[in-house]
Amino acid sequence: EAQVTQNPRYLITVTGKKLTVTCSQNMNHEYMSWYRQDPGLGLRQIYYSMNVEVTDKGDVPEGYKVSRKEKRNFPLILESPSPNQTSLYFCASSRRQPSSGANVLTFGAGSRLTVL
Amino acid sequence: KQEVTQIPAALSVPEGENLVLNCSFTDSAIYNLQWFRQDPGKGLTSLLLIQSSQREQTSGRLNASLDKSSGRSTLYIAASQPGDSATYLCAVLDHGQNFVFGPGTRLSVLP
Repeated sequence: EAQVTQNPRYLITVTGKKLTVTCSQNMNHEYMSWYRQDPGLGLRQIYYSMNVEVTDKGDVPEGYKVSRKEKRNFPLILESPSPNQTSLYFCASSRRQPSSGANVLTFGAGSRLTVL
Repeated sequence: KQEVTQIPAALSVPEGENLVLNCSFTDSAIYNLQWFRQDPGKGLTSLLLIQSSQREQTSGRLNASLDKSSGRSTLYIAASQPGDSATYLCAVLDHGQNFVFGPGTRLSVLP
């Protein structure tokens, strides 16, 4: 089944304890992206990647790191989490075929993170 | 910078009504526009994708239209049902090849 898989789905951690949220897709997609969603603020992009070894900042990159060493994986790293990073996180992926425009964005199920 | 807005922010209708959700974008240079549904606390499910060369797409009771020159898209839901209650988001793929999302419309369909 074609899908985007995020882990963990739920996590409670403490301030300053480094954590990684993994994201993996099995559709051979070039484009991958991380979003956070907070009540009243909608979906905000953290980082995105157009292909392997190519990453760019989104609207809210502060406090996050990413890497894209292989096509299928795009982990989100919180080096020193703080309570304001408590949020619902989504990973998504898409093909990159601008000429056809058929870039259907597929989302993972989400990871709910609480930082105490 | 591309900006996407959605009107209304929230909508409550009785079951059976036909309804229209609106999405506007500031830069008409897009590759496509996609409509998503999100249930509370859940992930986003793709409903329809309209490529920039298309005017509309249909799936069951859903019909999405695109007027690129005016920067607008509408999602038409026919014969609404309580199961349609969710938040609906639109997103455009811009020429920077990045996806830009609107804030969403929260729909409640009352039995």
